[in-house]
Amino acid sequence: AQSVTQLDSQVPVFEEAPVELRCNYSSSVSVYLFWYVQYPNQGLQLLLKYLSGSTLVKGINGFEAEFNKSQTSFHLRKPSVHISDTAEYFCAVTRNSGNTPLVFGKGTRLSVIA
Amino acid sequence: EAQVTQNPRYLITVTGKKLTVTCSQNMNHEYMSWYRQDPGLGLRQIYYSMNVEVTDKGDVPEGYKVSRKEKRNFPLILESPSPNQTSLYFCASRALDSSYEQYFGPGTRLTVT
Repeated sequence: AQSVTQLDSQVPVFEEAPVELRCNYSSSVSVYLFWYVQYPNQGLQLLLKYLSGSTLVKGINGFEAEFNKSQTSFHLRKPSVHISDTAEYFCAVTRNSGNTPLVFGKGTRLSVIA
Repeated sequence: EAQVTQNPRYLITVTGKKLTVTCSQNMNHEYMSWYRQDPGLGLRQIYYSMNVEVTDKGDVPEGYKVSRKEKRNFPLILESPSPNQTSLYFCASRALDSSYEQYFGPGTRLTVT
């Protein structure tokens, strides 16, 4: 079975500063990885995904993530955050075969401070 | 517009009173799923369905039922709600293709007193 650990439950950061949200996964098989964002009072929206190919994945709103197989990590980064990036961010994993369900981490709340 | 809709968005009910939360998608997706979101626990899957008449348990199915009689609809049924089912519920859908992109509804906040 797959599992996901988001290492920080809350991350406060000043506006225009860089941010990294950490995600580690556990799996005995190859996986696909995802980051979702949840703005206040809304559903989840896909930020980016790694299925195959380049390990550096670019997503919407200036976010990117790097798949590191040896460290079983998929950290999310943004070089300069905006107030509008304040949201909860979820890392998720699924097996790369068989259309198995997504397993989500517990979330990281990013608070951008003016 | 491609979307997943849920109704109601907010519901307050009492213990034991049966309720149904509806979910509908207009993208012709085969796969649909229900999650509950609780503080500090993230999203946990309740049930999922790979196609019409095909449903399976997720991680936390106790106290819930689902049905998939039509491709577009996937209602969540609480036959006898209890206070520990107070939560934020999300429905999601995706195509069974190589994109793996899952679309989420806006959520239903349920309070059981």
